[in-house]
Amino acid sequence: DSGVTQTPKHLITATGQRVTLRCSPRSGDLSVYWYQQSLDQGLQFLIQYYNGEERAKGNILERFSAQQFPDLHSELNLSSLELGDSALYFCASSPGTSGRSETQYFGPGTRLLVL
Amino acid sequence: AQSVAQPEDQVNVAEGNPLTVKCTYSVSGNPYLFWYVQYPNRGLQFLLKYITGDNLVKGSYGFEAEFNKSQTSFHLKKPSALVSDSALYFCAVRDLGSSNTGKLIFGQGTTLQVKP
Repeated sequence: DSGVTQTPKHLITATGQRVTLRCSPRSGDLSVYWYQQSLDQGLQFLIQYYNGEERAKGNILERFSAQQFPDLHSELNLSSLELGDSALYFCASSPGTSGRSETQYFGPGTRLLVL
Repeated sequence: AQSVAQPEDQVNVAEGNPLTVKCTYSVSGNPYLFWYVQYPNRGLQFLLKYITGDNLVKGSYGFEAEFNKSQTSFHLKKPSALVSDSALYFCAVRDLGSSNTGKLIFGQGTTLQVKP
């Protein structure tokens, strides 16, 4: 167990809908990262937050947004869902204070299926 | 731009034999390299990382990795494979494009199949 929790584990929804994925980082970690794992794209970085502020953006669609709250949990919002958004969404966390050598610890993921 | 490649989609080994999962990287600067393992229906588990120093890095579950700067490789190894090592393995490199980002760039993954 990495200490990173994600809810829900599974999500089934319809095209055009909006969903929210939630992540709680390891205790004391300030950085949260979101990744998408799909069969065709592999593991792709979406976005990083550090202590409530957006730190880096990757291949994140405009229909997707995220935020990190004062208690450091993070939410990834996916709207106007399309079939191609079906994927496994991972959250990871790290202390955020040790630079590039830091290890990111991953949660179990949320499997999203858009029908 | 930083990148990492895992040239084999699948590696098959017999239990008790040594295993190697290959990874090559391309970075402009000193690389920060990681190996993760993903078991079915589970998240990614950290195995080991190379930051600097000794080229042979030891990690979890008896795995080790050898950093080779001249060949730009970071192969994952284990002296004696177990059936329970069967999983999907990912090599990753830390993006060095900006000092503010912790972004990891992942290879496409290698499925390791260990047969009894």
